Amino acid sequence: DTAVSQTPKYLVTQMGNDKSIKCEQNLGHDTMYWYKQDSKKFLKIMFSYNNKELIINETVPNRFSPKSPDKAHLNLHINSLELGDSAVYFCASSHSAGGETQYFGPGTRLLVL
Amino acid sequence: DAKTTQPTSMDCAEGRAANLPCNHSTISGNEYVYWYRQIHSQGPQYIIHGLKNNETNEMASLIITEDRKSSTLILPHATLRDTAVYYCIVMDSGGSNYKLTFGKGTLLTVNP
Repeated sequence: DTAVSQTPKYLVTQMGNDKSIKCEQNLGHDTMYWYKQDSKKFLKIMFSYNNKELIINETVPNRFSPKSPDKAHLNLHINSLELGDSAVYFCASSHSAGGETQYFGPGTRLLVL
Repeated sequence: DAKTTQPTSMDCAEGRAANLPCNHSTISGNEYVYWYRQIHSQGPQYIIHGLKNNETNEMASLIITEDRKSSTLILPHATLRDTAVYYCIVMDSGGSNYKLTFGKGTLLTVNP
C-alpha cells in the first residue's frame, strides 16, 4: 500500500490554465506538506497543514492555493499557470508538526508550455 | 537557508562502505541532524537522525562528533541502488511548525 500518493504523476498544460494536484496519505498523520523542486533540483517547502490548518506559507504567490478537506488529503490548486511553475511538486506527511520524520510522495511533474 | 555544508559529489565502489561527511558548525544544542536521500526521479526518503549519540538503523549509521559541529553518514555496504543525492539537514525537533530546509546535498555514485 502506498503511504503518500499523488495524482497525477505527469501534468502538461498551457500557460494561463488552472490545474490541481491531489495528495493523499494513509499513515494517519496530522501534518502534510507541499514542496517544489525546480529545474536546478533545489527542493523548497511551499506549504504545511496541521489538522487541516495552514501553519507554514513560504511566500508562495497567491496563484497557489492549498486545500485540506481532511487530515488525509492536501490538494494544491494553481491558477493562471506560468512557465516558471514548471517543476516537480512533492507532497509529504509527518506524524505531527514537531519536526518529525517526513514521508514523501512520488512527485507530480508539471510542465507548462 | 541550509545550515550545513556537504561535498558536491562522491564516488564509492559497490560493496564498500560509503562515508558521507557533513559540516554543521553553527548547530545549536536542541537541533537534530537529519539525513534524507533522493534517488533519481523519486521523492526524498528519510534515512536516520540523531542529536548527540551515534545512531544505527537498518539503512545506515550516523556518527556525530563530540562538539556536534560535524557528522558522517555511513552506508556499510553500498549497492548500486544507493546511488542518490544525500541531504544533511539540521532541525529543531519537538516544537511546532518546523520545516526541512534542503541544501544541495551530495551526489553519491556507487560504481560496480
